[in-house]
Amino acid sequence: SQTIHQWPATLVQPVGSPLSLECTVEGTSNPNLYWYRQAAGRGLQLLFYSVGIGQISSEVPQNLSASRPQDRQFILSSKKLLLSDSGFYLCAWSGEGPRTHSYEQYFGPGTRLTVT
Amino acid sequence: QKEVEQNSGPLSVPEGAIASLNCTYSDQGSQSFFWYRQYSGKSPELIMFIYSNGDKEDGRFTAQLNKASQYVSLLIRDSQPSDSATYLCAVNPGRDAGGTSYGKLTFGQGTILTVHP
Repeated sequence: SQTIHQWPATLVQPVGSPLSLECTVEGTSNPNLYWYRQAAGRGLQLLFYSVGIGQISSEVPQNLSASRPQDRQFILSSKKLLLSDSGFYLCAWSGEGPRTHSYEQYFGPGTRLTVT
Repeated sequence: QKEVEQNSGPLSVPEGAIASLNCTYSDQGSQSFFWYRQYSGKSPELIMFIYSNGDKEDGRFTAQLNKASQYVSLLIRDSQPSDSATYLCAVNPGRDAGGTSYGKLTFGQGTILTVHP
C-alpha cells in the first residue's frame, strides 16, 4: 500500500530564515506530487505540482520554490520566510491507474509552520 | 477563474439524522469530483469520489452528481458525533486542450459539520 510522509510535523521559524519541508511517497512509482498551503480557517491553495523528476509547475508566484530530486521525493523551500508564509503545508500524491480520469489525491500528515 | 462553491456552514445536525453537504462548480468540462473529510488540525482524508451522473453509495455515505446542473452533493446517513469535521469538495477539470491531465484539483472552502448527541 502507498504511504506518504512529511516532516517536520511542526516548525517555528523567524521571519527571514530559510525553509525546507520534505515529502516522500512509498509504494508507488511516478506519482504526481502536489504542495498545498492551508491558512487558518481557509481552503486549500495549490502551490506547486510535479508530474516527474525535475518537472515543477508553480501555481502561485511567491517566495517559495519546489524541487523534485527523486521520483518519490518532493521538497518545498524558501530562502527568506515572510509572516504570511505561516500555515499548514500539505503534500499530496496521485497516480494514473485503471481509473485514468479519476486522479484522487492522498494527503500526507502536513507540516504546521509558524513564522514569528 | 474556475470555482468550487460549497454551502456555507456551519451545519449542525442531531445524531442519527441525515447530513446534506452541497457543492457547485463553474467548469462545465470537469471530469471527477471528490469529497474529503478534515478533522481539526489534521490533513484531509478522501472519503468519496464520483465521475458519473447519479448516485454512488459507500456505507453511510452517498455522493450524488448532476453534471447538467454542475452540482455534486454528499449525504451522510445516521450521522454520528465522529462525523463532525470540515468537508471539502474538490473538482478535477479533466484534460487540457493538449490532452494532458495533471490531476490538479480545485477545492471549495469547506463546510463545517457538527453532529450533536
